[in-house]
Amino acid sequence: GQQVMQIPQYQHVQEGEDFTTYCNSSTTLSNIQWYKQRPGGHPVFLIQLVKSGEVKKQKRLTFQFGEAKKNSSLHITATQTTDVGTYFCAGPVRGNKLTFGTGTQLKVEL
Amino acid sequence: DAGVTQSPTHLIKTRGQQVTLRCSPKSGHDTVSWYQQALGQGPQFIFQYYEEEERQRGNFPDRFSGHQFPNYSSELNVNALLLGDSALYLCASSPSAGSSYEQYFGPGTRLTVT
Repeated sequence: GQQVMQIPQYQHVQEGEDFTTYCNSSTTLSNIQWYKQRPGGHPVFLIQLVKSGEVKKQKRLTFQFGEAKKNSSLHITATQTTDVGTYFCAGPVRGNKLTFGTGTQLKVEL
Repeated sequence: DAGVTQSPTHLIKTRGQQVTLRCSPKSGHDTVSWYQQALGQGPQFIFQYYEEEERQRGNFPDRFSGHQFPNYSSELNVNALLLGDSALYLCASSPSAGSSYEQYFGPGTRLTVT
């Protein structure tokens, strides 16, 4: 079954609102990566987290890796229309096989 | 500096046929991974090639096979195509083998099986 789950599956927000997606793994991860896929495009790497409890920021994006290294979150402050897309987390669930989460599709309305 | 390139962009095949997809990695990368992405789902890991050998394999049948050439480019072959093989096939390159490196994805090949 699916080993990396993300919630919510979909999120519609008004421009300027905040957005958060949560990623949960059934096993402890050595690292977690986040990707963004625009409609009709391919996944683009955003960031990698390695340490327990790690927090990284990229402008309006804040990424966290849980203390147990089994969950992660991505928070976007004051969304913009350019944030539209599907956000995936990914981690090595079985050995070195990178497993992608189910994804959260973000739509931003003016 | 060229990124990851894939060919063809789109492909339509009939059930039972065979298909070959091609990928050239980003300059400086020696590892290529292939993923299958069905509509509305996340990419699913097929396999990874490093030093011309398959290093990791996901939960895909033997109908899926690959190859890596000395110049690090790679091919994905799928035999006896099924309708369920219709998907976007993504190639990703990284600077080394394993899952600890960011994946640089190509634009993908959209395969439709009728």
